[in-house]
Amino acid sequence: DAGVTQSPTHLIKTRGQQVTLRCSPKSGHDTVSWYQQALGQGPQFIFQYYEEEERQRGNFPDRFSGHQFPNYSSELNVNALLLGDSALYLCASSWGGGTQDNQPQHFGDGTRLSIL
Amino acid sequence: AQSVAQPEDQVNVAEGNPLTVKCTYSVSGNPYLFWYVQYPNRGLQFLLKYITGDNLVKGSYGFEAEFNKSQTSFHLKKPSALVSDSALYFCAVRDSGSARQLTFGSGTQLTVLP
Repeated sequence: DAGVTQSPTHLIKTRGQQVTLRCSPKSGHDTVSWYQQALGQGPQFIFQYYEEEERQRGNFPDRFSGHQFPNYSSELNVNALLLGDSALYLCASSWGGGTQDNQPQHFGDGTRLSIL
Repeated sequence: AQSVAQPEDQVNVAEGNPLTVKCTYSVSGNPYLFWYVQYPNRGLQFLLKYITGDNLVKGSYGFEAEFNKSQTSFHLKKPSALVSDSALYFCAVRDSGSARQLTFGSGTQLTVLP
């Protein structure tokens, strides 16, 4: 039973570029959340997707956008990259779409994004 | 608003001794509380959760946590630490009444000394 998978593992971009990160949820999960973890800090919530719609959003600018596909996989897009966007981006999946909010989220190993 | 505080950036303990990693929280409604562990260059692994019921929660790898509503705390404990427990530990909270996202603490680096 595959867990949460993310790609790519590492990515290097320059300021102003755009990036797309991908996530496949754990089998049986239908809800995907994205987090940004800067070095030495805890993960910060970006947004959550369920039924192909953004359900809730954290305190991140519109440069951060996402998408969820019918197979529940998800993408995180970041436009006009800034140096401060350098971080580990984590995808987490769960099931129930809000009706089972007490279920733990399962995390992937993340994508390490470095901005030069 | 919901928040989590982990007052200790670093905890050192000798192998075989009991360990405690502290966490306090703030939510408007009833809390859902979680502990996760992170190893270098890896994602977060779920250890245990408190939703309702018994204040003492048992989780993976011999870890347990005690929910204390009056002190708004959810400290992680283990009776006998192993060197392999050395990792970064995160406490997280979700307000059962409103919020969907997890709010994480800043993390506590646990080092178990042989």
